[in-house]
Amino acid sequence: GIQVEQSPPDLILQEGANSTLRCNFSDSVNNLQWFHQNPWGQLINLFYIPSGTKQNGRLSATTVATERYSLLYISSSQTTDSGVYFCAAQSLFGGGADGLTFGKGTHLIIQP
Amino acid sequence: DAGVTQSPTHLIKTRGQQVTLRCSPKSGHDTVSWYQQALGQGPQFIFQYYEEEERQRGNFPDRFSGHQFPNYSSELNVNALLLGDSALYLCASSLGTGGRKLFFGSGTQLSVL
Repeated sequence: GIQVEQSPPDLILQEGANSTLRCNFSDSVNNLQWFHQNPWGQLINLFYIPSGTKQNGRLSATTVATERYSLLYISSSQTTDSGVYFCAAQSLFGGGADGLTFGKGTHLIIQP
Repeated sequence: DAGVTQSPTHLIKTRGQQVTLRCSPKSGHDTVSWYQQALGQGPQFIFQYYEEEERQRGNFPDRFSGHQFPNYSSELNVNALLLGDSALYLCASSLGTGGRKLFFGSGTQLSVL
């Protein structure tokens, strides 16, 4: 099945800093999503972005499908941005049999 | 507009027992997927239900089974519980199958003693 790798695994930043999280995937995709899991376990969908660029407030994401990677940008970080960020992808050729495959996540800590 | 709701929030069982977890999808959604998230790991796909049938299945044993009702709600059943089944079980809903944006519930934390 498709492999999804995220980097860095851990990131500690001061409030106000900017960050870039990376997701590499091993196959062509028909589905790629970014999620934020808060300390209470809730997974929030940030972006549905199998290709192209999207922006939502301080967050933006870019997926370069031909090169098999996606980037999540967080600008002017706030303490509420802390948590684990997951990238999840579904192979274009798998017929959807695998559901979404998640990476291991990036654990982000924003210090005041 | 209600989001995805799951019950119960927490559950404690002993080895060998059976458990049923429940999920109501987001209003307007017709497809439910279940994921298992072990501590410190990303969620893993268990299976997906659409039109009351299991459409896709991940690499999980037959002890894991499910059901979808006519109102699109779903149940996840796990038989003969093992210690390794302790995890956060997440339900996600979408409109249609394949390549869709997923919305997750808050999950059920299952502890097997």
